[in-house]
Order: sequence, then C-alpha cells, then structure tokens
Amino acid sequence: AQKITQTQPGMFVQEKEAVTLDCTYDTSDQSYGLFWYKQPSSGEMIFLIYQGSYDEQNATEGRYSLNFQKARKSANLVISASQLGDSAMYFCAMRENLNTGGFKTIFGAGTRLFVKA
Amino acid sequence: NAGVTQTPKFRILKIGQSMTLQCTQDMNHNYMYWYRQDPGMGLKLIYYSVGAGITDKGEVPNGYNVSRSTTEDFPLRLELAAPSQTSVYFCASRDRDRVYEQYFGPGTRLTVT
Repeated sequence: AQKITQTQPGMFVQEKEAVTLDCTYDTSDQSYGLFWYKQPSSGEMIFLIYQGSYDEQNATEGRYSLNFQKARKSANLVISASQLGDSAMYFCAMRENLNTGGFKTIFGAGTRLFVKA
Repeated sequence: NAGVTQTPKFRILKIGQSMTLQCTQDMNHNYMYWYRQDPGMGLKLIYYSVGAGITDKGEVPNGYNVSRSTTEDFPLRLELAAPSQTSVYFCASRDRDRVYEQYFGPGTRLTVT
C-alpha cells in the first residue's frame, strides 16, 4: 500500500530564512505524483506544488520548490525567504492510481510550521 | 466561478441522528472526492466519484453513503451519527485531464455528541 511519511510534527523558522519540510513516500507504482498543500488556521486546503514521477527537473513555484530524490523516495518542500504568512500546516500527498481510472490522493500527517519574527 | 462550495459550515449532531453534507462544484469536473480530517491529522478519503452515476469507496467509508446524480453535486450522507465521526469534512473536485489541480471546498466542521 502506498504511504506518505512526514516525520516533523512541528518546525520553527526565522522570518526571511529558508526551511525544508521533509516527506518520504512508499509506492510500487512507476507513475505517480507528489503534492504539497498548505492549510492555514482558517482551514482551507491550498495547493502549492506538484511533481510528477517522470519529471526530470524539480518543480518550483515562486518561493516553493520541491526537492525530489526518486531513489531515496523523498519529496521535500523548500520554502525560501520565509514570511509570517507561511505559518500553517503543510501536507505532503501522493497520487494513487485507481482501478476505475483517475486517482485519489493519499495525505501525510502534516508538519506545522511556525515562522518567527 | 464559485469553485467548490460546501454546506453547512458547522453542525452539531446528537448520536444517532442523520444528516447530509452538501457539495457542489461549478467547474464541470468529472472527479469529486470526500475527505475527513481528524484533529492534527492529514486527510483520509471517504468516497469518490469519477462521474455522474459512478461512486466508489475510499479508505474510510464505513458509516457514510454518497450519490452522484449530477456532475455538479456530490452529497455525503451520515445515517447514524457516532462520536467517531466528529471531524472536518472536505469535498474536492478535479478535471479528468488536469492531474494536479484538485480544488477543495472550505470544509464542514461536524461535532457528534
């Protein structure tokens, strides 16, 4: 069965510094995708970044980048130049293919990030 | 576009009561999903649908039912509410051809006492 592991329940980072949130995954599929979502205290789920298993380059979206190491089965999120508004829960997730076609998303337990002024 | 809307935002149920959580999307998406998020945890898939008339179970379907009579609507039914169903429920939708763009609703916070 596919699985997502986030080993950091909470992280602190100083404003304007970079931070890495860890994510490892387990799958036997050759084709898969990895996501990161942000959940602020207001509760909504915000899509941040996506990496396909066949993408050769690491995905980047503004201050977010995904450090994808396929052989190690890791997909860490790097946030550069942290801002106070980055304080939130962050979830790593993986696309699991369905027998009926399409996919569902498997979520990790999350990492709560605190950005200090 | 309103995106994905969910009603109600909050609800308190007594044990044994039933209710329906509503989810509507106006993006003509084929795929719709229901997740629950327990405190301090990630989301777990309850049910999903790949199109009108087609639904299937996710990881934690017990105690829930769904239907998908239209592309837009994907209601989640709780028949006999139990304290273990206290959670935040998220509905999401996705276009068949856009792998990573999954749109989430704002969530419904349900408490069963």
